[in-house]
Amino acid sequence: SAVISQKPSRDICQRGTSLTIQCQVDSQVTMMFWYRQQPGQSLTLIATANQGSEATYESGFVIDKFPISRPNLTFSTLTVSNMSPEDSSIYLCSVESWTGVAYTFGSGTRLTVV
Amino acid sequence: RKEVEQDPGPFNVPEGATVAFNCTYSNSASQSFFWYRQDCRKEPKLLMSVYSSGNEDGRFTAQLNRASQYISLLIRDSKLSDSATYLCVVYNNNDMRFGAGTRLTVKP
Repeated sequence: SAVISQKPSRDICQRGTSLTIQCQVDSQVTMMFWYRQQPGQSLTLIATANQGSEATYESGFVIDKFPISRPNLTFSTLTVSNMSPEDSSIYLCSVESWTGVAYTFGSGTRLTVV
Repeated sequence: RKEVEQDPGPFNVPEGATVAFNCTYSNSASQSFFWYRQDCRKEPKLLMSVYSSGNEDGRFTAQLNRASQYISLLIRDSKLSDSATYLCVVYNNNDMRFGAGTRLTVKP
């Protein structure tokens, strides 16, 4: 399956600032997915990022708050903008596995906003 | 109703025990089903896919009942290393939905 390098692994940020999370995949993939996992909860899809087009956001998530870039088939970034303590969470990127369905995840970014 | 619902847990079992997790899903058009394992402070990792005919991988058996929209995972002869959160995952048309997870602790 694909190997995903996600960074930073963790960060502590001041409210009102922004953080950009990067994911690099070792192979070309059509779609990349960004998830959020709040403490004690399961994963919630933020958006789907396709190369060459705007990301598709899920209900409750907007581009101004979570801008996404997808400059090529192996890389994507998610920015958490104007952060508040409610944004404290784990953010994960993922791609489809080589089998075409099941997803492989990056190691996650643990964000704490103070 | 949540799209994917799981036993809330936690399950605390002794080594060697057999434990079963259940999951129900709401979208009857769902195409594929999985169990993921997530260790504390780690990313989810695929444990196994779930097929209509049922499938087994060592001590792990997964079952799917499409009529009842129900998925199960059975772990036999539990090991300490099985302690983790198990996520039920349902896939339909590029849309992956995760259950909230069931926490398992296997004790010596």
